[in-house]
Amino acid sequence: SQELEQSPQSLIVQEGKNLTINCTSSKTLYGLYWYKQKYGEGLIFLMMLQKGGEEKSHEKITAKLDEKKQQSSLHITASQPSHAGIYLCGALNNNDMRFGAGTRLTVKP
Amino acid sequence: DGGITQSPKYLFRKEGQNVTLSCEQNLNHDAMYWYRQDPGQGLRLIYYSQIVNDFQKGDIAEGYSVSREKKESFPLTVTSAQKNPTAFYLCASRMNPTNLYSNQPQHFGDGTRLSIL
Repeated sequence: SQELEQSPQSLIVQEGKNLTINCTSSKTLYGLYWYKQKYGEGLIFLMMLQKGGEEKSHEKITAKLDEKKQQSSLHITASQPSHAGIYLCGALNNNDMRFGAGTRLTVKP
Repeated sequence: DGGITQSPKYLFRKEGQNVTLSCEQNLNHDAMYWYRQDPGQGLRLIYYSQIVNDFQKGDIAEGYSVSREKKESFPLTVTSAQKNPTAFYLCASRMNPTNLYSNQPQHFGDGTRLSIL
């Protein structure tokens, strides 16, 4: 089955700094999904990437999928405390979806 | 508003007891999923169902059972055979899972936290 590795496992940044989270797949990605989770809550869908080289942005969050469709990055510009949480990447695996272990982001005011 | 409702939010299980977690969706989604999340870890797939009256085991199905009698509902039973049930359980649903290139994301409920008494 598809395996997704996320890095780093955790990240602490000062408010206003930029940061990047990576997600690497063992197989070609046919759909890569980024989610955000606050502690003890469900996952909120952020963005979906399908095509090699694709890039999408929402407010200060940008996600990219590389040309080979095996790696994705999530970039946050000028981080704010509201960006804090766990970011997970997920990928379609036949008829189900598998997830990376997540990256815990802390933003210090 | 359309969405996924999980209940209860918190659940306690006694030794040797079966407990059932509820998941209901009014999004008219075909597929539904159950995941388990342990502290500091990602989501692990327990069971999933693509259509009514059909479901498949995920990576960690042992000690769990499900049913899919209605499109809207996908309850998960944690049986006494599951020796380490303490975790956060998340239910999700998705439209049209049969197309590998479908761009539909999964939608998630708010989760149920299960603990052992």
